[in-house]
Amino acid sequence: EVQLVESGGGLVQPGGSLRLSCVVSGLSIRTYAMNWVRQAPGKGLEWVSVISDSSESTSFADSVKGRFTISRDNSKNTVYLQMNSLRAEDTAVYYCVKPKYQLLLDSFDVWGQGTTVTVSS
Amino acid sequence: AIQMTQSPSPLSASVGDRVTITCRASQGIGNALSWYQQKPGKAPKLLIYDASSLFGGVPSRFSGTGSGTNFTLTISSLQPEDFATYYCLQNYLFPRTFGPGTKVEIK
Repeated sequence: EVQLVESGGGLVQPGGSLRLSCVVSGLSIRTYAMNWVRQAPGKGLEWVSVISDSSESTSFADSVKGRFTISRDNSKNTVYLQMNSLRAEDTAVYYCVKPKYQLLLDSFDVWGQGTTVTVSS
Repeated sequence: AIQMTQSPSPLSASVGDRVTITCRASQGIGNALSWYQQKPGKAPKLLIYDASSLFGGVPSRFSGTGSGTNFTLTISSLQPEDFATYYCLQNYLFPRTFGPGTKVEIK
């Protein structure tokens, strides 16, 4: 069974930083692009970022561009989301998600349980 | 960015009802659309991919149709466990965009 486990969330002050991690078990992520999706309290889903299998390509939502970076360590089967200059509107549950196929653009067939980020003073 | 809209929201229905949710894209996306079900406090689950393909383990009462800009998710006979929020997602271009969600409520 493929499992994605996020960690690193917590309470941070506006302007602060956090680094989220997503550890994948049950398959090697070496050939999969990996994504982050978030959900603010009581709101809908928002795609945040993607990183290609080789880390050559990344893409970000306009709302986080220039503040967030995404990286991966295939040897550790882990994906990271570095979040800087955090704002109140970044408060959300952050999900790590795997695509169904080994494509950069694809549906998401496996989701982590999410990690909560709260940006507040 | 491609804008995704959904209707209706919310949707009030009874057990046994046939339910249809519509998702529209602001530009053509071929069949690059997927549908997700989310229950409170839980991660979303994939229901339909490539607009009309049923994901493994998903009950056959769920079906998807459409291409281009107009898509539908149909539940042929609503079951108690189907009361949830449903989202569409375009898989055509970055940035990826979800629809705003359709909450299926008990009438």
